[in-house]
Amino acid sequence: ELKVEQNPLFLSMQEGKNYTIYCNYSTTSDRLYWYRQDPGKSLESLFVLLSNGAVKQEGRLMASLDTKARLSTLHITAAVHDLSATYFCAGTGTASKLTFGTGTRLQVTL
Amino acid sequence: KAGVTQTPRYLIKTRGQQVTLSCSPISGHRSVSWYQQTPGQGLQFLFEYFSETQRNKGNFPGRFSGRQFSNSRSEMNVSTLELGDSALYLCATGRKGNTGELFFGEGSRLTVL
Repeated sequence: ELKVEQNPLFLSMQEGKNYTIYCNYSTTSDRLYWYRQDPGKSLESLFVLLSNGAVKQEGRLMASLDTKARLSTLHITAAVHDLSATYFCAGTGTASKLTFGTGTRLQVTL
Repeated sequence: KAGVTQTPRYLIKTRGQQVTLSCSPISGHRSVSWYQQTPGQGLQFLFEYFSETQRNKGNFPGRFSGRQFSNSRSEMNVSTLELGDSALYLCATGRKGNTGELFFGEGSRLTVL
């Protein structure tokens, strides 16, 4: 059964700094998702990574996938306060069932 | 383009009651899956429907059930509510079950007293 681990669980970073969130998964996953969740809100889709070496970027966020290492990363460049949220990665073991990581709560301070 | 619509958004029930939650997918999406989110257990998969058939089921007791209608709308039902069922219930829809992006609704926040 697929297990997904994220780290760190909590990340406090200053505006303008760079940082990376790591997502390790235990078995083969057809694809890897990244979602953002604001407090009390639903999940906003950020990226879907479909193949080894896939890299996607949107604004200050860049996600990559290494299927051989079973690792995905979400890199934050020059963080701004608006990026404060909880970020989840999720993999698919079978069918379209998503197995989520525990989430990384990102707090960007001035 | 309308998003995923979940109703009701908030509800309060007492132990022993039952509840039905509804999810209307984005037009053209035939896959609907349900997730439970709690502070302690995080996001957990409940079940997935595609073309009115349940294709996958998570590790939840039989009190949790669901169905999908011919128009792809889905409902989930929880019977004999327990305090631990208090959670945010999210549905996600996609064009096909096994490819591409999944879009989540705003969720139904259930409080069991």
